[in-house]
Amino acid sequence: QVQLVQSGAEVKKPGSSVRVSCKVSGGSFRSHAISWLRQAPGQGLEWMGGTIPIFETTNYAQKFQGRVTITTDESTGTAYMDLSSLTSEDTAVYYCAKAPEVYCSADDCYWGWFDPWGQGTLLTVSS
Amino acid sequence: DIVMTQSPDSLAVSLGERATINCKSSQVLLKNSTNKNYLSWYQQKPGQPPKLLIHWAFIRESGVPDRFTGSGSGTDFTLTISSLQPDDVAVYHCQQYYNTLLTFGGGTNVEIK
Repeated sequence: QVQLVQSGAEVKKPGSSVRVSCKVSGGSFRSHAISWLRQAPGQGLEWMGGTIPIFETTNYAQKFQGRVTITTDESTGTAYMDLSSLTSEDTAVYYCAKAPEVYCSADDCYWGWFDPWGQGTLLTVSS
Repeated sequence: DIVMTQSPDSLAVSLGERATINCKSSQVLLKNSTNKNYLSWYQQKPGQPPKLLIHWAFIRESGVPDRFTGSGSGTDFTLTISSLQPDDVAVYHCQQYYNTLLTFGGGTNVEIK
């Protein structure tokens, strides 16, 4: 059974950066497709991007392109999400989640549904 | 981007009664090549991450009670809770995975009347 455990809450100043980690246990880490999503207070869910180590592929939502970096450390089975140039609008709960079925063509990857999810990491951006 | 619109925003239903949540997409989610609708449903309780209930519009996840049913095709989808239980109080989200940019509905809050 795959489990995802995220790092703890963060408080950051505007303009700074944050790194959130997601340790994956169970199964083969390289074969897991891991995405990052966020949920601002009172808002819906928003997909930020994801990575598939076995395909050496990382995709980002255009909205976050250039500001988010998703990486993995296969030695520890951990995925990371770095978000830079933080503003108050980045205040949200950030989730990592596994996508059980992903299809990749030569040009892009088609992510499916998400299961399971990490417990969430609250990021507060405030001066 | 495919816009997902859920209705209603909030719903209060008596215990044992039916709850119906609607999700409308701005584009068709049915792919001719697979004859599948690229839509999933999640349940999110306060302070918890979303939990997958249904994928391919109607395939219920293992362990999900059969009072949860997904239906619909094309652009209009429904999640029905046939007999509302206290444990079903939550926010429900739909999600499309038809194209590479995944998008979610705004969520529907289900409460006990």
